[in-house]
Amino acid sequence: AQSVAQPEDQVNVAEGNPLTVKCTYSVSGNPYLFWYVQYPNRGLQFLLKYITGDNLVKGSYGFEAEFNKSQTSFHLKKPSALVSDSALYFCAVSPTGYALNFGKGTSLLVTP
Amino acid sequence: SQTIHQWPATLVQPVGSPLSLECTVEGTSNPNLYWYRQAAGRGLQLLFYSVGIGQISSEVPQNLSASRPQDRQFILSSKKLLLSDSGFYLCAWGGDTEAFFGQGTRLTVV
Repeated sequence: AQSVAQPEDQVNVAEGNPLTVKCTYSVSGNPYLFWYVQYPNRGLQFLLKYITGDNLVKGSYGFEAEFNKSQTSFHLKKPSALVSDSALYFCAVSPTGYALNFGKGTSLLVTP
Repeated sequence: SQTIHQWPATLVQPVGSPLSLECTVEGTSNPNLYWYRQAAGRGLQLLFYSVGIGQISSEVPQNLSASRPQDRQFILSSKKLLLSDSGFYLCAWGGDTEAFFGQGTRLTVV
């Protein structure tokens, strides 16, 4: 089965500190991996994706993610968190190109 | 550019009533279309996806159905709503490598 796991329900970080939101994947073959962000009562917004190439992917709003094949991980990172980054973050995998399988989400809270 | 419209934004329906949520896409042709449900503010569950007019794949058995009467129109329906149908419903369209989401419909069944 093609899936992703987000082991943390919530991540708390102080503004200005680096943040990491974890994601591990389980797929056969080469995965397409994604990060999306959701603000309250809104649809999901695309942040970044890994298809192939450089393992460090840069995305919107200063976020980046590192694809690690040996650890089957795709953690989302940002060097300096902002209060406005507080939201729900979803990791997703697209094994077939048809539909995304999402993780359960991680709530990020950035405190001033 | 491509845009996706989903309505209504919020909906309160009594148990046993019918449901129709509509999603339309502009700026692209023959898109893959999806309906997701998000319950209790967490976790996205894929309900249906469609790769073309009249082609619907259901991911989980449930009280809902989907139809695609036109290339860029995707409708989520129910004949009789259950309390458990409450949730946040998201329509999305996608190419091969990512999906673009509508703003969602908050459905409360009372």
